[in-house]
Amino acid sequence: DVVMTQSPLSLPVTLGQPASISCRSSQSLVSSDGNTYLHWFQQRPGQSPRRLIYKVSNRDSGVPDRFSGSGSGTDFTLKISRVEAEDVGVYYCMQGSHWPPYTFGQGTKLEIK
Amino acid sequence: EVQLVESGGGLAQPGGSLRLSCAASGFTFSGYWMHWVRQAPGKGLVWVSLIYHDGSATDYADSVKGRFTISRDNAKNTLYLQMNSLRAEDTAVYYCARDAGGEWGDYWGQGTLVTVSS
Repeated sequence: DVVMTQSPLSLPVTLGQPASISCRSSQSLVSSDGNTYLHWFQQRPGQSPRRLIYKVSNRDSGVPDRFSGSGSGTDFTLKISRVEAEDVGVYYCMQGSHWPPYTFGQGTKLEIK
Repeated sequence: EVQLVESGGGLAQPGGSLRLSCAASGFTFSGYWMHWVRQAPGKGLVWVSLIYHDGSATDYADSVKGRFTISRDNAKNTLYLQMNSLRAEDTAVYYCARDAGGEWGDYWGQGTLVTVSS
């Protein structure tokens, strides 16, 4: 199974400041079809997960452009350029390149300092 | 508008059974793979099961293999998860999620809570 490791697990951030979450996989996420199926999800308190980024760097419709994804191979990053209060929650990376199983990172809890 | 609405959760005894449903609307259900994902209280997301768009293939996490069965009724636009031989560690919120051709998880349901306890 592909192990997804996120860091940090807790991320206190001042409003208006940038934030960055790292996600590393135990093997390359380049799929046999050449795509990299690494996605990012946000889960606000008491809500269902919501996808922010798909296939490394594609922002979902309605997602503010302060969110961006990057990376390749085994190392990936989610960046928030300027954190807002509504960004509080837990962020998960997830791989769909080598399944089953699909695997998630442990989650990174973003809070406002 | 795409909607996924789970139901069927509740309290079950260890060794018991429950059947979860996920009613889909707002899209051509029969054209999409579907997944179940669970989240134990205070814990992270864990993939549980997958079913192809036509029901021709399924996959399961090792932790539920042989106990859970995923199925779908494309005529009723509904996804199911039959859960047998339930254990305390199956206690979780169960979400259904859509798989848009490898662009996993573009829509999720609101979740349904399963509690396994005597």
